[in-house]
Amino acid sequence: SAVISQKPSRDICQRGTSLTIQCQVDSQVTMMFWYRQQPGQSLTLIATANQGSEATYESGFVIDKFPISRPNLTFSTLTVSNMSPEDSSIYLCSARGGGRTDTQYFGPGTRLTVL
Amino acid sequence: AQKVTQAQTEISVVEKEDVTLDCVYETRDTTYYLFWYKQPPSGELVFLIRRNSFDEQNEISGRYSWNFQKSTSSFNFTITASQVVDSAVYFCALSEGGGNYQLIWGAGTKLIIKP
Repeated sequence: SAVISQKPSRDICQRGTSLTIQCQVDSQVTMMFWYRQQPGQSLTLIATANQGSEATYESGFVIDKFPISRPNLTFSTLTVSNMSPEDSSIYLCSARGGGRTDTQYFGPGTRLTVL
Repeated sequence: AQKVTQAQTEISVVEKEDVTLDCVYETRDTTYYLFWYKQPPSGELVFLIRRNSFDEQNEISGRYSWNFQKSTSSFNFTITASQVVDSAVYFCALSEGGGNYQLIWGAGTKLIIKP
């Protein structure tokens, strides 16, 4: 299984600012994902972070608001731009290998509060 | 369309009771994977089990057991002799074998174990 770390673990930010969340995996993985989990809700996929190319965003999420980088097979960042209180959520990074049966493992999450 | 339903929003039991969390899924694929994850109050998502559609054997791991029944499209999770540390939100998820391996999530069941 992959071990995933995220930084920061939590942050309190002001409206209109941006925050970059880092995700580090302890081994090379094929696929990395970013999720948002609003309070009391299930997980919503924001995008798939593609190594060496632009991320693939899900409906309702755009690159200008959630730019993602993935410079190599073990690291990715998610930026939450021009934040508003509605962006207050847990942001989770996950990773899986390339096999059909591989499992998606998750980082500890970043708890973001926007004032 | 794919869908995962966890009809139990919240379950509360007294320690040492057995408890079953229900999960019903919908998919048109013949190859798919089912998962259970645990999310304790700390927020991290912990992988518990993966099952593929061709393996209907029930599985037991300590106090945890899973009952996979394709005939009813269900993948239920039972905790025997529950403990306070089992208190968490439990998510059931579905991944189809077609290629993108994205997880389709249930709404989650909040399990409260009272001492």
